[in-house]
Amino acid sequence: QQQVKQSPQSLIVQKGGISIINCAYENTAFDYFPWYQQFPGKGPALLIAIRPDVSEKKEGRFTISFNKSAKQFSLHIMDSQPGDSATYFCAASGAGSARQLTFGSGTQLTVLP
Amino acid sequence: DAGVTQSPTHLIKTRGQQVTLRCSPKSGHDTVSWYQQALGQGPQFIFQYYEEEERQRGNFPDRFSGHQFPNYSSELNVNALLLGDSALYLCASSLGQKNSNQPQHFGDGTRLSIL
Repeated sequence: QQQVKQSPQSLIVQKGGISIINCAYENTAFDYFPWYQQFPGKGPALLIAIRPDVSEKKEGRFTISFNKSAKQFSLHIMDSQPGDSATYFCAASGAGSARQLTFGSGTQLTVLP
Repeated sequence: DAGVTQSPTHLIKTRGQQVTLRCSPKSGHDTVSWYQQALGQGPQFIFQYYEEEERQRGNFPDRFSGHQFPNYSSELNVNALLLGDSALYLCASSLGQKNSNQPQHFGDGTRLSIL
């Protein structure tokens, strides 16, 4: 199975709050898990990525948590800001598939001022 | 340092026509992948080009074809356009086809509308 399942579909958070987006995968050959941020009219921009040999990676206000046994990973946005309002996609790729990215269905995040 | 550039930005076609979309990869990148993003959905992998050859293909019909040039730029061609081909077409570039340490960088896409 190549599918990556993402939830929730939409998320509304108050400024300063924590935004949490979850993803689950089936294919155990996946070994690279990036998160992309997409603004309207723009292409996806790489936010942060993780490999299964670590359980957590933090870059500024963005943290990926990875649970290899559960085949789940999540994005946490700390101190969410209105400028973070965008659509977020999780993705996965594996060495055996020429590094093609399999994307989740996306989460539309709205951060209220 | 120019990022991934795509042209045109928008395109309107009618059913049955054919279309060619263009992509210039980020400077230093040699691998180009194409994705289709329908409204409200995540991008779907179409195919990848490396060393001027199609290396991997997603679940798309033969109406979708491509090409990579010696300067690493790429074209996506779609024949016999259907209404369902209306989407944002994204190009992503990376360095080294199987290099797991190199992320894919996306352009802003071509918005294709089929009437």
